[in-house]
Amino acid sequence: KAGVTQTPRYLIKTRGQQVTLSCSPISGHRSVSWYQQTPGQGLQFLFEYFSETQRNKGNFPGRFSGRQFSNSRSEMNVSTLELGDSALYLCASSRDKQGNSYNEQFFGPGTRLTVL
Amino acid sequence: QKEVEQNSGPLSVPEGAIASLNCTYSDRGSQSFFWYRQYSGKSPELIMSIYSNGDKEDGRFTAQLNKASQYVSLLIRDSQPSDSATYLCAVAGFQGAQKLVFGQGTRLTINP
Repeated sequence: KAGVTQTPRYLIKTRGQQVTLSCSPISGHRSVSWYQQTPGQGLQFLFEYFSETQRNKGNFPGRFSGRQFSNSRSEMNVSTLELGDSALYLCASSRDKQGNSYNEQFFGPGTRLTVL
Repeated sequence: QKEVEQNSGPLSVPEGAIASLNCTYSDRGSQSFFWYRQYSGKSPELIMSIYSNGDKEDGRFTAQLNKASQYVSLLIRDSQPSDSATYLCAVAGFQGAQKLVFGQGTRLTINP
């Protein structure tokens, strides 16, 4: 079974530009979550999508947005890039929760974004 | 108080010994607990999940959960140099949300 894929793997942008990152989940997984990883803040939750709806959102400014398509593929967009947006952006997919148990999330390889 | 806390390390363990990694969490409503391993420059890789109190074993790895003490641990037996990585504790179910809240990670080094 293929894992989570993310494109592109590396991006270099300048301040003020915008960027779109793409994620394809594991087949059969309908929940897609996005995380930002930086050396200072660690791994932080951005948002989660399920059935094309944003179900949860982390504490990030509105410049960070996302969407999910009917085939569960997801994109995230960052507008008006700032130097502090330089990070590894990770996508994770999972099956939906069952009862009170939250299913395992599997991460893609990430997109390394550098903002100059 | 941080939502999920881990000792950042580094933790140094001789090859063949048991490595013990610890994690505490603040939300008593948390339901699911995970350990990820992350090699430098790579993405996190799931190695253990645990949902109920007690121990769960998988090969050389044992996860332990104590919900009353809000404590999760990971034991690695017969540690190998290839186990050298950062280990991330993650908790799901904060405020009923399907999101993972991560600790800062413990850097583990296995010395040959």
